[in-house]
Amino acid sequence: KAGVTQTPRYLIKTRGQQVTLSCSPISGHRSVSWYQQTPGQGLQFLFEYFSETQRNKGNFPGRFSGRQFSNSRSEMNVSTLELGDSALYLCASRLSGQGFDEQFFGPGTRLTVL
Amino acid sequence: AQRVTQPEKLLSVFKGAPVELKCNYSYSGSPELFWYVQYSRQRLQLLLRHISRESIKGFTADLNKGETSFHLKKPFAQEEDSAMYYCALGTGGGNKLTFGTGTQLKVEL
Repeated sequence: KAGVTQTPRYLIKTRGQQVTLSCSPISGHRSVSWYQQTPGQGLQFLFEYFSETQRNKGNFPGRFSGRQFSNSRSEMNVSTLELGDSALYLCASRLSGQGFDEQFFGPGTRLTVL
Repeated sequence: AQRVTQPEKLLSVFKGAPVELKCNYSYSGSPELFWYVQYSRQRLQLLLRHISRESIKGFTADLNKGETSFHLKKPFAQEEDSAMYYCALGTGGGNKLTFGTGTQLKVEL
């Protein structure tokens, strides 16, 4: 079974631009979560989608948004990029989104904001 | 608000020595705790979860609600154990993970 895939793997943007990151979960998984990883703040939860609905949200500004499609693929969008948005963005998928079944992580998208 | 604390950024031990990676949490509800590991150039992956009460790769972790701790232990460290270890607290029905800042374990020969 193929693992979680994320595209693109690397991105370079400038301040003020917007960016869209994509995540394809493991086949059959319906829950997708997004995390931001930085050296200073570590791994921080952004949001989680299940059946095209956002179920949980972390403490990030409204510039960070996401969505999930009917095939469970998810996208994350960051508008009006700031230098501090430079980070590794990880996506994780789970089978059912119920209980505490394992989250499987993707390789991440490395975003650099100049 | 929930919080996970891993006090050590780096832990260096010799091969064959015991390992203990510390994790403390703060949460008012019933905690669900996990250890995730990231080997060099690999993805973050689940090592173990407290509800399973299992031993994976020789590692165990016991939830101590009184001390709000979930320390990861292994009696004899192996070179292949060198990796970054993250403790995580699950909330929101398991849909949200709050991670600690991680501990880099280095096993020296």
